[in-house]
Amino acid sequence: GAVVSQHPSRVICKSGTSVKIECRSLDFQATTMFWYRQFPKQSLMLMATSNEGSKATYEQGVEKDKFLINHASLTLSTLTVTSAHPEDSSFYICSARAPNRQGATGNTIYFGEGSWLTVV
Amino acid sequence: AQTVTQSQPEMSVQEAETVTLSCTYDTSESNYYLFWYKQPPSRQMILVIRQEAYKQQNATENRFSVNFQKAAKSFSLKISDSQLGDTAMYFCAFMNPAGGSYIPTFGRGTSLIVHP
Repeated sequence: GAVVSQHPSRVICKSGTSVKIECRSLDFQATTMFWYRQFPKQSLMLMATSNEGSKATYEQGVEKDKFLINHASLTLSTLTVTSAHPEDSSFYICSARAPNRQGATGNTIYFGEGSWLTVV
Repeated sequence: AQTVTQSQPEMSVQEAETVTLSCTYDTSESNYYLFWYKQPPSRQMILVIRQEAYKQQNATENRFSVNFQKAAKSFSLKISDSQLGDTAMYFCAFMNPAGGSYIPTFGRGTSLIVHP
């Protein structure tokens, strides 16, 4: 099946620094990618929709200056957590939509492995 | 706005038995996609099964099958011959391509425990 790769899987950073998480679609071109945050024992919370070549669309309550999203190519979206604080510690997961032209797998959302962020 | 409801926060089943996880959704659209995802302790979201709303035939993937009732807006997941490795959170998801947004909506999840 289609593969989405997310890196790093775990990262520890100091409070006040920035950290970048990458999300790559390995075998299809993704015009749309999604970034989620997941709290323990809860469902996925959509942070933003990343559109290739245009600005990301952020969900209400998500600080766009703090969570910078860049979708510079059809296979890569990045999430940068700027000036990280301990409360930003969480599990972040990306997903990518396989486009409609890919037959049986078209319009299917595939997820990366997720990234654990710990801010100390 | 679309909503997805998973009414069973937790379920348990004995190994080798069958279990059904429920999912209902609310939409006024006629063309959409439905998914079940499995999230084991590793936290990776794994696609279990996919259903296109315009297809009447229920999707099947090995031991996993769905009962898609479009009129009732119901999309339950049946796991046959349950295995210990099926222990995970299961999320039902709805995706509507109308307007080109393709933003999926997820249910709150059902925690499934398979007992030996």
